[in-house]
Amino acid sequence: EVQLVQSGAEMKKPGESLKISCKGSGYIFTSYWIGWVRQMPGKGLEWMGIIYPGDSDIRYSPSFQGQVTISADKSISTAYLQWSSLKASDTAMYYCARLGVQGVIDLWGRGTLVTVSS
Amino acid sequence: EIVLTQSPDFQSVTPKEKVTITCRASQSIGSSLHWYQQKPDQSPQLLIKYDSQSFSGVPSRFSGSGSGTDFTLTINSLEAEDAATYYCHQSSSLPYTFGQGTKLEIK
Repeated sequence: EVQLVQSGAEMKKPGESLKISCKGSGYIFTSYWIGWVRQMPGKGLEWMGIIYPGDSDIRYSPSFQGQVTISADKSISTAYLQWSSLKASDTAMYYCARLGVQGVIDLWGRGTLVTVSS
Repeated sequence: EIVLTQSPDFQSVTPKEKVTITCRASQSIGSSLHWYQQKPDQSPQLLIKYDSQSFSGVPSRFSGSGSGTDFTLTINSLEAEDAATYYCHQSSSLPYTFGQGTKLEIK
């Protein structure tokens, strides 16, 4: 089965670091871009950035450049999204997604809920 | 960055009604416009790709049209299960962007 499996929900305090994951299976992981999308509570979808696991080419949205780090380990078909110092405003659902031909998102993960609260 | 503006933001509709949602791009994006449906507490799912191509398994009542800067998602004969938020998405140029969403409520 073609799928993206995301890591479980996280509850963190402001200032803490975090790395969440997205594991692809059922397809050639290195042949598709993986994107990260943020959805704050009750809000819409926001494009964060993408990575090509084949060569780790990364493109950030200007809104998220410097705020998060996107990476991938192609040996285990996994992409990552990480924060060095979380803020309460990072509280959101984070989706990873596979980009098909010409950038259409043809596969979504189930999301990882990140809650940041003191 | 290309801005996508959807209208309306919210619509309350009755079953079997025809629904039209529009998405306007701040600059021409050719046919690189896609539509997604997100039901409560679920991930978004692809409905229409490249302006008008239905994704596998999507009911035929969903269709897309348009090009350049103006696009439309049409739902013919709305069903109760279509209650959801609908998003447009452009992949013409990075950073890719989404519209703000249109929430459909079924009366």
